[in-house]
Amino acid sequence: EPEVTQTPSHQVTQMGQEVILRCVPISNHLYFYWYRQILGQKVEFLVSFYNNEISEKSEIFDDQFSVERPDGSNFTLKIRSTKLEDSAMYFCASSQTGGPTDTQYFGPGTRLTVL
Amino acid sequence: DAKTTQPNSMESNEEEPVHLPCNHSTISGTDYIHWYRQLPSQGPEYVIHGLTSNVNNRMASLAIAEDRKSSTLILHRATLRDAAVYYCILRDGVDDKIIFGKGTRLHILP
Repeated sequence: EPEVTQTPSHQVTQMGQEVILRCVPISNHLYFYWYRQILGQKVEFLVSFYNNEISEKSEIFDDQFSVERPDGSNFTLKIRSTKLEDSAMYFCASSQTGGPTDTQYFGPGTRLTVL
Repeated sequence: DAKTTQPNSMESNEEEPVHLPCNHSTISGTDYIHWYRQLPSQGPEYVIHGLTSNVNNRMASLAIAEDRKSSTLILHRATLRDAAVYYCILRDGVDDKIIFGKGTRLHILP
C-alpha cells in the first residue's frame, strides 16, 4: 500500500538554525499538508498546499515557516530560524482530491528538537 | 469547524467490542463525521467517515444518530494493536484541513 514518508525521523538543531523537513507524499496525490504536535498536546494544522501554492495557513505558520514542492515528489517544510517552542513532531499528509470526504494520509513524522 | 465532545479515556478488554461515543450537537447539514486514530509514536490514521447513514469498513463501523447530533465508532473485536487516541472530527466543504481535538485515549486490557 502506498504511504507517505518523512525524513529525517529525528532532527536535533540549535536555536536560531534553519531546518528543512522533507516529505514524499503518495504519488498521485494533489493536496499536501503539514501538521505539528507538541509533546502531550493536540495535533495542530500548519499549512495546506495545492497547485504549487499555499491554499491555507494557520496562525502558527508565520514568516519563519515556508513550504516548497521543489520537484515532482518532495514536499518540504523549512523553518528559517528555529525557536525552542518549535520543538515538536511534524507530520506531513497528502490527499487525492481535497474536500470533506477526502482521506488524508499521514507520514510517521519528524521529531524536531531545538536546543 | 463545529465542536465535538469525546470522553478523555476508555478501557476495554481484548477481543471484546468497543463503542467510542462522540457528541456533535452543533453539527450542520453539510458536515461529514470522520474518525482518525493515532497509535503510539505514529501519525494519525484514517478510520472511517459518514454523513447520515451508518457505515462499515474493514477497520470499524460508524453508527450515526438519526438527528446526527452524536455518533459512535464501533470496533467489533478489539486487539492490543487498537490501543490509540481516537479522534472524532467534523469536516465541511469549506476547508481541507483537519482540526483535531483531544480525542479519546483507548486502553485495551489483555
